[in-house]
Amino acid sequence: EVQLVQSAAEVKKPGESLKISCEASGYTFTTYWIDWVRQMPGKGLEWVGVIFPGDSDTRYSPSFQGQVTISADTSLNTAYLQWSSLKASDTAIYYCARGFWPGASQTPFHYWGQGTLISVSS
Amino acid sequence: DIQMTQSPSSLSASVGDRVTITCQASQDINNFLNWYQQKPGKAPKLLIYDASTLETGVPVRFSGSGSGTDFSLTISSLQPEDIATYFCQQYDDLPLTFGGGTKVEIK
Repeated sequence: EVQLVQSAAEVKKPGESLKISCEASGYTFTTYWIDWVRQMPGKGLEWVGVIFPGDSDTRYSPSFQGQVTISADTSLNTAYLQWSSLKASDTAIYYCARGFWPGASQTPFHYWGQGTLISVSS
Repeated sequence: DIQMTQSPSSLSASVGDRVTITCQASQDINNFLNWYQQKPGKAPKLLIYDASTLETGVPVRFSGSGSGTDFSLTISSLQPEDIATYFCQQYDDLPLTFGGGTKVEIK
């Protein structure tokens, strides 16, 4: 059974760094792209970016380019989303998601993590 | 970026009603259009992909249609468990983009 299990909620201050995780199981981690999606409080869904763990090929939304870093550790079957300096506007739930088709960077999101709530406040 | 315009932003209907949500893309997306359902406090769930293909396990009262730039999601007979927010999403081109969402409530 495919599962994406995300790290726990975080409360941080502006300027702090953070790395959240998405641990995959039930499939070959290196063969599917993993995406990150943001949902600000009471708002819609925004695509952050995607990584192919097989070769670390990464694509970002222009809205998030330079603001976050996506990475993956194939030894741990885990993808990451990190910030070097958080802002209050980063407060949101962040979901990881995996698509249908191996090797395809653009697919429907068939599997989702449970979400990680990030709260940034002074 | 491809803009996805979803309407209405909210609706209220009675149990058993037929409900339709529309989604318009700013350019032809080659039917690479998905619909998701999100219940409060939960991750989104894929309902329909490629504009009209029902995801496994999704009730047949849900259906999708459309092509080119104009798409719709229909619930043929609204049930209490369908209370949720629905999002369309295009995956024809990066960045992937979502519609603003439609919140469905029971009248």
